[in-house]
Formats: sequence, C-alpha cells, structure tokens
Amino acid sequence: GGIITQTPKFLIGQEGQKLTLKCQQNFNHDTMYWYRQDSGKGLRLIYYSITENDLQKGDLSEGYDASREKKSSFSLTVTSAQKNEMAVFLCASSINIQDTQYFGPGTRLLVL
Amino acid sequence: GQQVQQSPASLVLQEGENAELQCNFSTSLNSMQWFYQRPGGSLVSLFYNPSGTKHSGRLTSTTVIKERRSSLHISSSQTTDSGTYLCALERGGNKVVFGTGTRLQVLP
Repeated sequence: GGIITQTPKFLIGQEGQKLTLKCQQNFNHDTMYWYRQDSGKGLRLIYYSITENDLQKGDLSEGYDASREKKSSFSLTVTSAQKNEMAVFLCASSINIQDTQYFGPGTRLLVL
Repeated sequence: GQQVQQSPASLVLQEGENAELQCNFSTSLNSMQWFYQRPGGSLVSLFYNPSGTKHSGRLTSTTVIKERRSSLHISSSQTTDSGTYLCALERGGNKVVFGTGTRLQVLP
C-alpha cells in the first residue's frame, strides 16, 4: 500500500496572500490531482498532472497555480486568497487518468 | 448545469435498514467511481465500476452506461456507515466530474 500526505492540515491566511499547499504520494503513481471541496458543490478539479513536469487545467484553475517538479509531489498555490474563503483542498493520485484515484486527508483553508 | 446528479441529497436510516443511492449523469463517460467520506475525513474509494455490478461486503454498485446511471446499495446499514457518499464519472478528455454527494446518517 501507499499513502498520500498533505501539508499543512489547516491553513489560515489573510486576504490577498499567496498560499501554497503541498502533496506527496509514495504509490509511484503517474497522475496527480488537486480538487477543491465546497459545501453543497461536490469536488471540483483545479489542476491535474499526468506525469512529472506536466500540468493540465481543470474546471477551476483560475486563481491557482500548480507545480509538479517530481513524480511524487504536486503543489498548489492560491495566488490571491479571497476574504471569507473556506474550503477543503484534496490531493489525489492514480496510476493513470482512467484508474482509481486515491485521496489524501485534505487541507482546510480559512481566509480572514 | 450539474453533469452529475446524486439523490437523495440526504438520507436518515435506522440501523439495519437498506439504502439505495443514485447517481445520474447527463454526459457520456468512460467510467464511474464511488467514494465514501467520513465527516472531516479523506475520501475512500469504494468502487471503480465502469459498467455492470460489483460487490464488496454489504455494498453493491451497479452502473448502466446506456441509461446514464449508477447506484450504490448498502444492505443492513450500520452507524459506522454514516458519512457522505460521492460518485464521480470519468469522461473522455481526461476529465473527472464529481456529484454533490448523498449525506447518510444511520441512527442506532
């Protein structure tokens, strides 16, 4: 088995701040994903990466940057945090785009 | 509009009752996946079910692609089944779309 680690677990930021979330997986999976989960809206895909150094935009990429420097890690940056923003950011990985996705525990964001 | 509709939005059961959760989608898909999320917890994959019926313990998933629906049946529910159940479909073009979830509460 493997594990997906997300850091930090909780993130509190100020309006306009640039915030970075990190994700590590030891499944040796090629594909990694970042999702945002808001209450009542399900999960929405922000970015995904098919392999190292690859980046693909999801439905919600505006306002975010992502980086996949290594196969095992995928980071997400909120470029300018919005006041009163509250959401959970979930990282996932899979062998390939059509295989089962495995999720990390999430990073909970609150912007004051 | 929402491409993946889940019903019911919420469900309350007495322990021992069965549950049927539905997922309907308005677009073509390559595969369907069901997830379970405990309150405050991460997602756990229950089924990767492109088509047909799969069983795992008290859980059964059935996907009928031509009817654009998938269901998750929970038999003899337990209080530990409480949480949110999400379906996700994988479309062509490498897109994964999630439904809004069904919040299940099983009472003792």
